[in-house]
Amino acid sequence: AQTVTQSQPEMSVQEAETVTLSCTYDTSESDYYLFWYKQPPSRQMILVIRQEAYKQQNATENRFSVNFQKAAKSFSLKISDSQLGDAAMYFCAYRSPMGAQKLVFGQGTRLTINP
Amino acid sequence: NAGVTQTPKFRILKIGQSMTLQCTQDMNHNYMYWYRQDPGMGLKLIYYSVGAGITDKGEVPNGYNVSRSTTEDFPLRLELAAPSQTSVYFCASSRRSTMNTEAFFGQGTRLTVV
Repeated sequence: AQTVTQSQPEMSVQEAETVTLSCTYDTSESDYYLFWYKQPPSRQMILVIRQEAYKQQNATENRFSVNFQKAAKSFSLKISDSQLGDAAMYFCAYRSPMGAQKLVFGQGTRLTINP
Repeated sequence: NAGVTQTPKFRILKIGQSMTLQCTQDMNHNYMYWYRQDPGMGLKLIYYSVGAGITDKGEVPNGYNVSRSTTEDFPLRLELAAPSQTSVYFCASSRRSTMNTEAFFGQGTRLTVV
């Protein structure tokens, strides 16, 4: 079974600076999908960015980018120019291409933005 | 566009009571899921369904039941509520695809068992 580990329960960053959230995973599959979700205090799960394992190029969405290291099974999220609205819980998730597309989540990292 | 709708948003149950968490989606998605999120933790899969009439257990199914009589609805039943079921419950859906499709989540139900 696949597992996802986020080793940073909490992180904080000054507004306008850059922060990186870590995620590692364990799988025996060669093809899979990885996601970062944001959960603000409203509880809504918001997809931030996604990455296909077969793509070597790191995904980017505006101020959000990932560093995908397949051999190391690492999938970190970089947030540039941090804004107050980025404060939230961030979850890393894994999905197999087979079966029912079930998501396996990490424990989450709570990100605080200091003004 | 409603997406995934969960009701209720909040509920307090007494130990031993039963209740049903409702979930409906209007995107004609084949796949639906129930997850629970304990305080400070990630989401864990309770049950899932790949289509009407088909359900299967996830990682933490004990104490729950589900049914999927239509594509749109996927209710989660709690029988004999216990304090260990105090959690936030999320329903989600996704389209069956070989591509990297997104899962859509409801806004969650905060359940407290006292």
